[in-house]
Amino acid sequence: NAGVTQTPKFQVLKTGQSMTLQCAQDMNHNSMYWYRQDPGMGLRLIYYSASEGTTDKGEVPNGYNVSRLNKREFSLRLESAAPSQTSVYFCASTGRDSGELFFGEGSRLTVL
Amino acid sequence: AQSVTQLDSHVSVSEGTPVLLRCNYSSSYSPSLFWYVQHPNKGLQLLLKYTSAATLVKGINGFEAEFKKSETSFHLTKPSAHMSDAAEYFCVVILARKLIFGQGTELSVKP
Repeated sequence: NAGVTQTPKFQVLKTGQSMTLQCAQDMNHNSMYWYRQDPGMGLRLIYYSASEGTTDKGEVPNGYNVSRLNKREFSLRLESAAPSQTSVYFCASTGRDSGELFFGEGSRLTVL
Repeated sequence: AQSVTQLDSHVSVSEGTPVLLRCNYSSSYSPSLFWYVQHPNKGLQLLLKYTSAATLVKGINGFEAEFKKSETSFHLTKPSAHMSDAAEYFCVVILARKLIFGQGTELSVKP
């Protein structure tokens, strides 16, 4: 019972490099989310997708792009990584308009 | 606008003693509120949720929370702490169909 799977779990980048974080869920959920977690700031929403084919900005979208490839997959791309993007990234999904979010285990990204 | 504030960034208790993690929200109407727990190097797991059915909400692992509209609070409690409760706890409010997280409270449990 996989739930929400994120890859990679760890990544180190140099400033200016690009990368994509992958997320997949096997619960047939409509909505998917990308959050970043920084010490003392809780989780902040980067982008979300209410359904396949739609994406919307959250609180902190600058420097990121997303793709809702299909109902299962929601990827987060950093086109030109910056040290301020060093963080732990969490993907989440939910099957209802509001309610329980199911989280992946996180991707720890360091930008040097 | 809605927001959520967790009043303590860190709480330390002894095993077997009560736990109180405080959360206040600001909202112009009755919100949906949640508590999530995050163990080290793990994702977040739902502890309990309030959606206006009952003001006292029971969750997993013996936790409960009481919604108090007059105080705009949704504090999380547990009668007796266990070592396995050591984790970070997040109070969450729904805003425009998006979940907004508090800053988190780290709970330490001493033997």
